[in-house]
Amino acid sequence: GAVVSQHPSRVICKSGTSVKIECRSLDFQATTMFWYRQFPKQSLMLMATSNEGSKATYEQGVEKDKFLINHASLTLSTLTVTSAHPEDSSFYICSARGVVQDYNEQFFGPGTRLTVL
Amino acid sequence: AQRVTQPEKLLSVFKGAPVELKCNYSYSGSPELFWYVQYSRQRLQLLLRHISRESIKGFTADLNKGETSFHLKKPFAQEEDSAMYYCALSEGNNDMRFGAGTRLTVKP
Repeated sequence: GAVVSQHPSRVICKSGTSVKIECRSLDFQATTMFWYRQFPKQSLMLMATSNEGSKATYEQGVEKDKFLINHASLTLSTLTVTSAHPEDSSFYICSARGVVQDYNEQFFGPGTRLTVL
Repeated sequence: AQRVTQPEKLLSVFKGAPVELKCNYSYSGSPELFWYVQYSRQRLQLLLRHISRESIKGFTADLNKGETSFHLKKPFAQEEDSAMYYCALSEGNNDMRFGAGTRLTVKP
């Protein structure tokens, strides 16, 4: 079946540094990619939606200068957390939407755990 | 604005008992509704979509437009069904909104 990968799976960084997370759709073309944030024991919160070649649409309350999203191709999107602070520590999950076996479906990556010291 | 409500954060049943996980939605258009499941230490995966009207792992879900509900049901719960379940609503090719999730525990 369709697979979405994320890299890295886990990252620890110092406060003030920037972290880049990659999301790839491995065997299908993703017309749209999404980035979610999940706090412990809570649901997924949509951060932003991006279409290939265009600017991402951010949800209310999500700082676009803080969370930079680049969707360079139909199989790759990146999320860069700039000047990370401890409150940015979270589980970040990407998702890719595309047509697989005649269904327009959304697949999820395994997530990236970010810890900011 | 679209919204998905899962009223129960936790649900616990005994093995073999029926289980129903509730989901209500508010959306002005024609929604696409899904159930996703997240097993311990695994990624989120699709369980059911309302348009396909299928039964997966014994689970079914019927869209009730009158009650704006999409409850997930299984007649006989199994221990391996223990997981987090998320109801989700999608507006075409746009974003997918998730409910708060229900943690199902099936006791032996």
